[in-house]
Amino acid sequence: NAGVTQTPKFQVLKTGQSMTLQCAQDMNHEYMSWYRQDPGMGLRLIHYSVGAGITDQGEVPNGYNVSRSTTEDFPLRLLSAAPSQTSVYFCASLPAVGNEQFFGPGTRLTVL
Amino acid sequence: EDKVVQSPLSLVVHEGDTVTLNCSYEVTNFRSLLWYKQEKKAPTFLFMLTSSGIEKKSGRLSSILDKKELFSILNITATQTGDSAIYLCAVLRAGKSTFGDGTTLTVKP
Repeated sequence: NAGVTQTPKFQVLKTGQSMTLQCAQDMNHEYMSWYRQDPGMGLRLIHYSVGAGITDQGEVPNGYNVSRSTTEDFPLRLLSAAPSQTSVYFCASLPAVGNEQFFGPGTRLTVL
Repeated sequence: EDKVVQSPLSLVVHEGDTVTLNCSYEVTNFRSLLWYKQEKKAPTFLFMLTSSGIEKKSGRLSSILDKKELFSILNITATQTGDSAIYLCAVLRAGKSTFGDGTTLTVKP
């Protein structure tokens, strides 16, 4: 199993550009989440999903969209990138009856 | 809104010292409280606690949860330089986790 994969690993955007961060898991986990981590802070929840076709907002959803058309994939879209979105982004999955989240390796995003 | 607060935010010790990291929370009806270790990459799982008063142990690390007083502690004995990392506490409820800001532990030789 590949676990949770994220692409790209690094990305530099200009203000106003849009892009999609990809996340996929091959463990058939029902729950998936996107977090951002800024220096000196913990992980803050952006959006999460409890199953295909179901998404909900986390603590910091503004400027981001998600969709969950399949169990495996949970892409995160930045609509119009801003410097405040410079951060490290982690995707995670969790089985419905489990407790341990499985994290992807992260994407380091810089917005100039 | 779920809230998790960790203290201290940072800690510097010498090898061999014992440290206690604190995690308090304002979350009701949660499934579990989890501790993670993060070293310049994605967090790695350490412990999962669901019941009060039961101590989890793994080598030099141990953790306990107090559901009445709404806190958890992570103890590390005989610290080593390899223990230097950010330690994150999270509470899992309804398919989502709320994290604290972490404690940055630095262990000096």
